[in-house]
Amino acid sequence: QKEVEQNSGPLSVPEGAIASLNCTYSDRGSQSFFWYRQYSGKSPELIMSIYSNGDKEDGRFTAQLNKASQYVSLLIRDSQPSDSATYLCASKDPREAGNNRKLIWGLGTSLAVNP
Amino acid sequence: NAGVTQTPKFRILKIGQSMTLQCTQDMNHNYMYWYRQDPGMGLKLIYYSVGAGITDKGEVPNGYNVSRSTTEDFPLRLELAAPSQTSVYFCASSSGQSKDYGYTFGSGTRLTVV
Repeated sequence: QKEVEQNSGPLSVPEGAIASLNCTYSDRGSQSFFWYRQYSGKSPELIMSIYSNGDKEDGRFTAQLNKASQYVSLLIRDSQPSDSATYLCASKDPREAGNNRKLIWGLGTSLAVNP
Repeated sequence: NAGVTQTPKFRILKIGQSMTLQCTQDMNHNYMYWYRQDPGMGLKLIYYSVGAGITDKGEVPNGYNVSRSTTEDFPLRLELAAPSQTSVYFCASSSGQSKDYGYTFGSGTRLTVV
């Protein structure tokens, strides 16, 4: 069973704190991972992609990948109320033949940043 | 640069009616996808296309059809609408560049079948 799992939340953090969002995956063959942000009533937008073990930083966002433990995380530093959204974790389906670039999606974690 | 454009944004259909959800992208992306999103159920893949003239079924294709006659356009056809097709529909596209799997989503179509 190919799965990407996330805690649905809501995760509530005060403004200025670090928000930590976690995602686990079941298929050890998964190689590529993505974090999308989805505001209520809007479409998902790509925040980060990560392919190698370790950390990848982009502004206030850091994605972390640990293939041995099969988890991916997203850290948001200096959280702002505007970061309040649902965060979707996705992985490239490793078992799909060909190059269709299909993704396996988690159900998302709801984040609320309180002023 | 418009990205991915979906029309209409909202639609109410009566049971048994048909309609086409339009999706156009101007990024010359080879890969295009149709998803539906229901509350608490996540994104479900309906159909996808890896290039003009090539389409394939996703997880939940029943009740839908697609075509891809050009790189830019990927319309989704609903035949004989049913209440179970009430959902938010997203079209997305992706570049063919190596490792660039990031999807660009359209703004969505909110469909209600009554």
